[in-house]
Amino acid sequence: DQQVKQNSPSLSVQEGRISILNCDYTNSMFDYFLWYKKYPAEGPTFLISISSIKDKNEDGRFTVFLNKSAKHLSLHIVPSQPGDSAVYFCAASTYNQGGKLIFGQGTELSVKP
Amino acid sequence: EADIYQTPRYLVIGTGKKITLECSQTMGHDKMYWYQQDPGMELHLIHYSYGVNSTEKGDLSSESTVSRIRTEHFPLTLESARPSHTSQYLCASSEAGRRTEAFFGQGTRLTVV
Repeated sequence: DQQVKQNSPSLSVQEGRISILNCDYTNSMFDYFLWYKKYPAEGPTFLISISSIKDKNEDGRFTVFLNKSAKHLSLHIVPSQPGDSAVYFCAASTYNQGGKLIFGQGTELSVKP
Repeated sequence: EADIYQTPRYLVIGTGKKITLECSQTMGHDKMYWYQQDPGMELHLIHYSYGVNSTEKGDLSSESTVSRIRTEHFPLTLESARPSHTSQYLCASSEAGRRTEAFFGQGTRLTVV
């Protein structure tokens, strides 16, 4: 049973527009959520995180929103740039799991000039 | 800047061979992890360690084994490689604490023929 789901395998946006990547989870015990960016044949790179006590966290062009009642989080990238083209993974962990991460399947973002 | 290194980056090896994938980090992190990822799929945790001489199996069953004799070193070994072991193997580390991000190495792409 997959606890973290990214239902959109791919997303295409124009340069300068907003990219919205979505993630749903089923385990109500998750209390820390992260987004990673991954290029082919490379390891994931940490982007941004959010604790369950918050509903928004912002870092430059990246903002993560958390809706605990809907068990949903999203990553907004604005403005999108061609260099943002990559696979984005959301991940979650629980306090008693000591930081072990459960990942979604990833969404491939393509930003077109 | 995260300093975690994996070697080799790519490995093609015959069935039945013994292999060791190397992972080292220079950040002094107590926690280290091995994830396995197939194309288009989520990352699955196969092994983790919370310190020297501490290793546990992850959520995904794996025939590989790990050791943690030194804080900075967390190698993964397959005693007898099979084509089903073909995958990308990603090593990660994180600081102590419940809500910390994991830093990933560049990964090893293993192909067993």
